[in-house]
Amino acid sequence: GQQLNQSPQSMFIQEGEDVSMNCTSSSIFNTWLWYKQDPGEGPVLLIALYKAGELTSNGRLTAQFGITRKDSFLNISASIPSDVGIYFCAGRTFAGSYQLTFGKGTKLSVIP
Amino acid sequence: DTEVTQTPKHLVMGMTNKKSLKCEQHMGHRAMYWYKQKAKKPPELMFVYSYEKLSINESVPSRFSPECPNSSLLNLHLHALQPEDSALYLCASSQEEGSGANVLTFGAGSRLTVL
Repeated sequence: GQQLNQSPQSMFIQEGEDVSMNCTSSSIFNTWLWYKQDPGEGPVLLIALYKAGELTSNGRLTAQFGITRKDSFLNISASIPSDVGIYFCAGRTFAGSYQLTFGKGTKLSVIP
Repeated sequence: DTEVTQTPKHLVMGMTNKKSLKCEQHMGHRAMYWYKQKAKKPPELMFVYSYEKLSINESVPSRFSPECPNSSLLNLHLHALQPEDSALYLCASSQEEGSGANVLTFGAGSRLTVL
């Protein structure tokens, strides 16, 4: 099946810094989703991307659907303590049915 | 209502017990999902229901038995589980299963511990 390589695996940053994480694949995806998961909670959708080259913002978050359709990145600007959590990318492609493939997650820690 | 509600939030059970996890959504979504998530790992798909019919079973052991009584409810019946089945069980829903533009809305999960 499809695999997503998400990096970095974890990051420690100072409050106020910008953050960037990405997902890459050898397969083409037609949808990219970015979720955030807090401890003991379910993933919450941050941004959904549907077209190659699409750049979408949600507050301090910006995500892009790579032009090759094989990658996506998520940027967080001016990080704050509540940004702490695990960020998952997820890609959707048709392989008999449309199912989601998740990246392994990026664990973000923000130092006040 | 834009939520997926899961109960119970925490469940501890012995290997001989029978218990159930419940999931409810009132967004009119016609696809519902069960995922299993181990610590520090991404969610793994277990089952998909589409229009109240089982659409996908990802080779899940029969000690997990899903049920979709109606379009708003999804249950996961548990029997004779093993300690390695301890995990966070996530329910999710989406408008349709077969659309490439679907986004999944997840519940908060049920934390299961098998002793």
